[in-house]
Amino acid sequence: QVQLVQSGAEVKKPGASVKVACKASGYTFSNYGINWVRQAPGQGLEWMGWIAAYNDNTNSAEKLLGRVTMTIDTFTNTAYMELRSLRSDDTAVYFCARGGIWGVDYWGQGTLVTVSS
Amino acid sequence: QSALTQPASVSGSPGQSITISCTGISSDIGGYNYVSWYQQHPGKAPKLMIYDVSNRPSGVSNRFSGSKSGNTASLTISGLQAEDEADYYCGSYTSRFTPYVFGTGTTVTVL
Repeated sequence: QVQLVQSGAEVKKPGASVKVACKASGYTFSNYGINWVRQAPGQGLEWMGWIAAYNDNTNSAEKLLGRVTMTIDTFTNTAYMELRSLRSDDTAVYFCARGGIWGVDYWGQGTLVTVSS
Repeated sequence: QSALTQPASVSGSPGQSITISCTGISSDIGGYNYVSWYQQHPGKAPKLMIYDVSNRPSGVSNRFSGSKSGNTASLTISGLQAEDEADYYCGSYTSRFTPYVFGTGTTVTVL
């Protein structure tokens, strides 16, 4: 069965960076992309970006340009999302999800990133 | 990037049908058939309920159906059950700079 398992919770100081991992199993990793979505406490879903596992093409939300980097390791079937220059309003649960910019199907369990001094 | 517009809350009694709307513009919902709907229970990851406007993934109850008219997509839940109480989000591909956008979210309450 398709599974996306994410790395554990992180606590970071303002200005630092965080890198979240998403390990996929149960399907041919290179046939799909990975989207990243975040959800601030009590708020809705926010699409962050997408990376194609078959050719490393990426597409990011305009508001995060220059701060977010998405990468893929096809040897370990793991996707990574790094967010730099963290601010308090980056505190959120970060999800990875399989799919493309047309929509996603399977989701990871989420990773809580807390930004606090 | 503006989110798609959904009602903040919708409620219904068990057995009833409810419909959640999701309003966008011609560069997202109105222009493409890439509308999805996601269900999210508190503290859980979202779950795909409908994709490509009206298609149900395997395992999703046929009580859930989707449709689209112009710039507005809709999710209908028929035969409402207690387990349907959750937050629901629409999402759509968009031809603007940021290629995917979610709706503002709707809380469904079963009375």
